[in-house]
Amino acid sequence: QQQVKQSPQSLIVQKGGISIINCAYENTAFDYFPWYQQFPGKGPALLIAIRPDVSEKKEGRFTISFNKSAKQFSLHIMDSQPGDSATYFCAASKNNNDMRFGAGTRLTVKP
Amino acid sequence: SAVISQKPSRDICQRGTSLTIQCQVDSQVTMMFWYRQQPGQSLTLIATANQGSEATYESGFVIDKFPISRPNLTFSTLTVSNMSPEDSSIYLCSVVWASGRADEQYFGPGTRLTVT
Repeated sequence: QQQVKQSPQSLIVQKGGISIINCAYENTAFDYFPWYQQFPGKGPALLIAIRPDVSEKKEGRFTISFNKSAKQFSLHIMDSQPGDSATYFCAASKNNNDMRFGAGTRLTVKP
Repeated sequence: SAVISQKPSRDICQRGTSLTIQCQVDSQVTMMFWYRQQPGQSLTLIATANQGSEATYESGFVIDKFPISRPNLTFSTLTVSNMSPEDSSIYLCSVVWASGRADEQYFGPGTRLTVT
């Protein structure tokens, strides 16, 4: 099922640093690219999402960069905090159907 | 956003039995899905729950093993039938919530199933 490749598998960042997680997709029909944050024992929570008509979207400390020609998108977490330590999933879908998820990145922010 | 609840939150079941998981949403939603997340893994779509008709299953998932009901726009059930230890996973209900320009997909808290 996996049509979205996510890297790295795990990431350790110092408090205040920038966390960067990358994803690549194959299906050019995808038109919606969300990022989810999941804490242990909880369901994934929608963090930020982008559509291919824009190249960047920023919400607070979280930014998605989108490169349509390269079929890649990334999540940047500025000023990373220990409370950001979680697993992050990128995803892609077409017409809100059949959402495909990346393998996940376990982020640890060290104080 | 929609508020999604799932019951039970967790269960330990014996091999060969069945468990029905309920998903309730506090408002009408256009689409509902069921996902499986094995420990430390990503999310895999099991099926799309269609209101008033048979669910649409992904490759590798069949109705006899994972029967799904969706009697209305706010409720769905997933049954895990004839369970084996390989079915131990977190099962997640997900909904698409129409929010302004962009429809967004939200997840319930999950049901953690352990099969012994």
